[in-house]
Amino acid sequence: GQNIDQPTEMTATEGAIVQINCTYQTSGFNGLFWYQQHAGEAPTFLSYNVLDGLEEKGRFSSFLSRSKGYSYLLLKELQMKDSASYLCAVIDSNYQLIWGAGTKLIIKP
Amino acid sequence: ETGVTQTPRHLVMGMTNKKSLKCEQHLGHNAMYWYKQSAKKPLELMFVYSLEERVENNSVPSRFSPECPNSSHLFLHLHTLQPEDSALYLCASSQAGSSLAGSGGSTDTQYFGPGTRLTVL
Repeated sequence: GQNIDQPTEMTATEGAIVQINCTYQTSGFNGLFWYQQHAGEAPTFLSYNVLDGLEEKGRFSSFLSRSKGYSYLLLKELQMKDSASYLCAVIDSNYQLIWGAGTKLIIKP
Repeated sequence: ETGVTQTPRHLVMGMTNKKSLKCEQHLGHNAMYWYKQSAKKPLELMFVYSLEERVENNSVPSRFSPECPNSSHLFLHLHTLQPEDSALYLCASSQAGSSLAGSGGSTDTQYFGPGTRLTVL
């Protein structure tokens, strides 16, 4: 079967750095998305990786290793507004989007 | 504001009621999606429409009935629901239209609405 694994919950301190990992086992690979979802709100697009390496976008960076079936989302200079769930999703060989259950990130002052 | 709106934001209904969820996208996209989101579970794709034609139906119970009258509007008609249908129902849209693979998927980014929080009593 197809599977996306992410930690259920993480806690970090305001101003610090946090890395949210995502590992996947899918039938083929056509890209990986990260979305942010605040409680009661829409998931919003953060990043899309299809090639190996690090993509940086302001305080957020996303890394992909296709050979290891692994990605991470790196958040720097954490702010209280970064408290949210972070969803990892992989496009498989049939162009279906396979979703992880999400990681709830709690930021403490 | 993602350009995708959903109404109502909250809905409480009895098991014998009939109600409809509405989604509208203002992005000029050609594909629209319905998802179910339950606590601590991955998003479940329910329906995909491309250019107003249903491309994918992931074995959803018939008590959920989608309707896509045009590329900007999507409805989900609900009838005789069960308590386990209580969840957040999310609508999304993406650029892909005729380029969607036969399975209904693509590599295009999906843009989500804020969802309808549904409670079935």
